[in-house]
Amino acid sequence: EDQVTQSPEALRLQEGESSSLNCSYTVSGLRGLFWYRQDPGKGPEFLFTLYSAGEEKEKERLKATLTKKESFLHITAPKPEDSATYLCAVSGTYKYIFGTGTRLKVLA
Amino acid sequence: ETGVTQTPRHLVMGMTNKKSLKCEQHLGHNAMYWYKQSAKKPLELMFVYSLEERVENNSVPSRFSPECPNSSHLFLHLHTLQPEDSALYLCASSQGAGIAGGGPYNEQFFGPGTRLTVL
Repeated sequence: EDQVTQSPEALRLQEGESSSLNCSYTVSGLRGLFWYRQDPGKGPEFLFTLYSAGEEKEKERLKATLTKKESFLHITAPKPEDSATYLCAVSGTYKYIFGTGTRLKVLA
Repeated sequence: ETGVTQTPRHLVMGMTNKKSLKCEQHLGHNAMYWYKQSAKKPLELMFVYSLEERVENNSVPSRFSPECPNSSHLFLHLHTLQPEDSALYLCASSQGAGIAGGGPYNEQFFGPGTRLTVL
């Protein structure tokens, strides 16, 4: 069965304390893995697409990596403005499946 | 207007009402989507239109009826809803393959959502 599991469900970090969010997946015919950021009361904002194992993408303090079974979103020296829910999604033929997200809170 | 817009932002309706949600994308994309977001649940893909063809989602109740008159506009018509339909309804758009090519299913750009409350 196709599914996406994100962990942890919630994460509290001190400003500057680096950490990683996990997205594990099972999907037949993976076409891509996507990371989004969602702020309260807003729609998700696209961050990264990863297509194949070993691929990495970076944007400011965020770095996304992909293996055959999971993806990590590494957050280096986070700031309070990085607080949000981070969503992972995978696409296959005629399917687009989201995980339930990781709620990140960065304390000043 | 830029990006993806949705109206109204908030909607309260009774179970016997009929209402419509509207979405417009200004990104020149060829695919549009409706999602339902409920607390503690993953985003649920309801409908996809690609090159104005609709991908059916058999798990969506018939009280939700989508309409895509062109690649920039998408509607979700609501009638005789239930309280459990209360949720955030999100519209998104993307650029990609048509349905015959396996669907567009790539990076998507979302609107701000409509917060729906069914009494």
